[in-house]
This record gives sequence, C-alpha cells and structure tokens, in this order.
Amino acid sequence: NAGVTQTPKFQVLKTGQSMTLQCAQDMNHNSMYWYRQDPGMGLRLIYYSASEGTTDKGEVPNGYNVSRLNKREFSLRLESAAPSQTSVYFCASRDTGDNEQFFGPGTRLTVL
Amino acid sequence: GQSLEQPSEVTAVEGAIVQINCTYQTSGFYGLSWYQQHDGGAPTFLSYNGLDGLEETGRFSSFLSRSDSYGYLLLQELQMKDSASYFCAVRDYGQAGTALIFGKGTTLSVSS
Repeated sequence: NAGVTQTPKFQVLKTGQSMTLQCAQDMNHNSMYWYRQDPGMGLRLIYYSASEGTTDKGEVPNGYNVSRLNKREFSLRLESAAPSQTSVYFCASRDTGDNEQFFGPGTRLTVL
Repeated sequence: GQSLEQPSEVTAVEGAIVQINCTYQTSGFYGLSWYQQHDGGAPTFLSYNGLDGLEETGRFSSFLSRSDSYGYLLLQELQMKDSASYFCAVRDYGQAGTALIFGKGTTLSVSS
C-alpha cells in the first residue's frame, strides 16, 4: 500500500515549457486535490476532484489544468510555465466521509 | 470565502507545553483540522474537531469553540522531534465537492 505517489520528485523547466505532474493513490479514495506551497504562504488549493469526471477550481487555479483520468489518478498540467509557478506541489486524497487527507511526497518545481 | 489566522512562529524548550491558536472566518463551518509538516516532508493529519470541546491524542490535544470561531492545538511534553510547521484548516464546499483550506502555518522550534 503505497498511499499517494507523485512523479516527478524534482523538475526544472524553462519559461514557456509545458509539463504534467502525475499523482496516483491506491486507497480507493473518491476525492483528490492539488496544492502548491510557497514560503510563508502555507498550502494553497489549486484544483480538486470529488470523483471521476468532476473537477473544481480552488484558490489559485490560473495557469493550471487538471485531469481526473480515473479513480486512482489526478494529473496537473502547466501549459506554459512561468517563474511564478516555482513551488512545491502536493497531491492529496481523502475518503468520502473521512476527515483525514493523505498527502503525497511532493514535486519540487523550478521555472527559470 | 474562508480565511484562517495563526501565529507565524512559536519557540519553546523540551518538556514544555505550547499552544498554537487559530481563528477562522468561514461562510459555513464544517470542522477544524490540524496538520503537521516536517521540513521538506508531506503534511500529516493530527486531529479534527467538529464540535466544541477538547480532543486528546497522546501528547497532542485540540480545542474548538465555534461561537468564538477559534481553536488551538496544545502540545505537551515537547520533544525535539516536534519541531515542525503546524497548519490549521477548514473545509470549503464547492460545486464539485469539498476541499481543505489551510492557514499559513506556524513554525514551532523546540530547543534543548
């Protein structure tokens, strides 16, 4: 039982490049989330998905898109990366009715 | 929208007791959660309060007063390993389900 996994762990991009951050969970959770964490800003919600086929914007969705590929996988795409998107990205999942969110190890992204 | 306020830093010595406060403003309230994050790591769940009062889990306790829109995390018998960031969070309801909104975090430094 791996919990929540994220790939890659580290990534460096040039401004304007695109990439997809991958997230998968093996706990059969319905809800999945993407957060970004910047120094002094805490965790800010980018997008979330309550179930397959549904997604909703969080606090800071601009510049990102998401895909809930199936129940296990929830990807985050940067179409044209900007230096302001340099951050640590965390994926999380939660079982319906449960109060605990489980987080992945994070992806550390630098945009030059 | 939701907003949460917590102190940015707290320092204490081993064996001491420390309290981290959190005040919140929400359009609808569905409970207050606490998460711990060690440097470079993933946030992990500590506690949840849905109703007023104190919840105890070992050395950690969490308190909620819904009438005051206030809660706190109490850490007793502090150990060096408790040095970490602590986040309070409330649940936000959107069109696609619910997601946690986090405060900016409190960095706890425990010294010997």
